[in-house]
Parts: sequence; structure tokens; C-alpha cells
Amino acid sequence: GAVVSQHPSRVICKSGTSVKIECRSLDFQATTMFWYRQFPKQSLMLMATSNEGSKATYEQGVEKDKFLINHASLTLSTLTVTSAHPEDSSFYICSARDPRAGGPETQYFGPGTRLLVL
Amino acid sequence: SQQGEEDPQALSIQEGENATMNCSYKTSINNLQWYRQNSGRGLVHLILIRSNEREKHSGRLRVTLDTSKKSSSLLITASRAADTASYFCATEFYNQGGKLIFGQGTELSVKP
Repeated sequence: GAVVSQHPSRVICKSGTSVKIECRSLDFQATTMFWYRQFPKQSLMLMATSNEGSKATYEQGVEKDKFLINHASLTLSTLTVTSAHPEDSSFYICSARDPRAGGPETQYFGPGTRLLVL
Repeated sequence: SQQGEEDPQALSIQEGENATMNCSYKTSINNLQWYRQNSGRGLVHLILIRSNEREKHSGRLRVTLDTSKKSSSLLITASRAADTASYFCATEFYNQGGKLIFGQGTELSVKP
């Protein structure tokens, strides 16, 4: 099946710094990617929809100036957590839709990036 | 909130027993998907069931969908210790660009 990668898999940073997370679709072109956040023992919460060549669509309550999303190519979306604080520590997961299949399109999830802000 | 609800939140069974997890949602869907997540890891897609389907099977997995009750269930038969994981349902709503809304999840523990 389709593969989605994320980099880095784990990052530790100091409070106030910015962190960039990459999400790549390895064997298909993804016009749409999604970013989720998951706190320990909780479910995934959708943060934003990333569309290639246009601005991301953020879910209610997600600060677009804090979580910058760039979808510059059909295989790469980046999430930048700006001025990270300890409360931003979480598991960030991206997903991408493979438009090649007919009918409902399965989303393929990346392995996630664990962010720890000290 | 559109987030679906799952029950039970936690389920502990013995190997060989069946495990049933339920998911409810609030508005009309395009499809409903079940995912598995091992502790601290990424998601694994299990089954997708479309809104016009009522039941689907995949190996030891059986998923049902009742759109009149806005609910779905995931049955794992003859469970194994390796099935221990968190299981999430996720709904794709109409005209939402394909985004998925996840349920709260069921933490399944299968004891050998």
C-alpha cells in the first residue's frame, strides 16, 4: 500500500524555539494532506487540512499563526510549530489521501512525530 | 463537537474470546473507518465501510454499520495477545474534503 513518511520521528526542543515536521507521500501524489495531534491516552484531533498550492484550512480552535502549514509540492507538507511551549508537547500525525483509487479514498497515515518541549 | 463516541473505553479479555467495540456518530457520513494503534505508534488502517454498506469482513474482523442508528461496531473474533492495542473509529462526512473525525477510542487488552 501507499506509504507516508514523517521526519523527524522524535524531537526535543527548548521552549520558545520553532520546530518543523515534514510529511511526505512516497509513492503517490497527494493533493490533500491532514495534520492531527494526539495527547497521551487521547484520540486524534484534526488540526488542519493541507491543500497543495493553497492555504491550509484550520479546525476551530487551532491557531494558524502558531501552527504554520506549507504544502509546497504534491508529495510534501510541512507543519511548523512556532515558539513552541511545553503545552505543545504531543504526538503529531499526518495523513495523505491517495486519489488513484476509485470510490472512497483511504487515508494513509504517517508514523507520527513525538514533540517534547522543555 | 462532531467527534464520535466509542464504547467501551477499555476492554480486557482472554485470548480466544471475541472483542466487540462500538462507535456512534452524529451526522450523515460518507464512510466510516476503523484503525488500530499500538502504544505510541502510528495508525494502521483496518477496514473502511461505505454508507451504503451494512457489513464487511476482513480476516478475523467484522464491521457493521447501522446508518439509522448512526452507529458501527467492530468485532474481533478469536482474539490474540497481539491484538492488544487501541482501536479508533473515524468518520468521513459528506462535503468535508475527506477529513476524518476520530472517536475517542477503545483500549483493548488481550491476556494470554
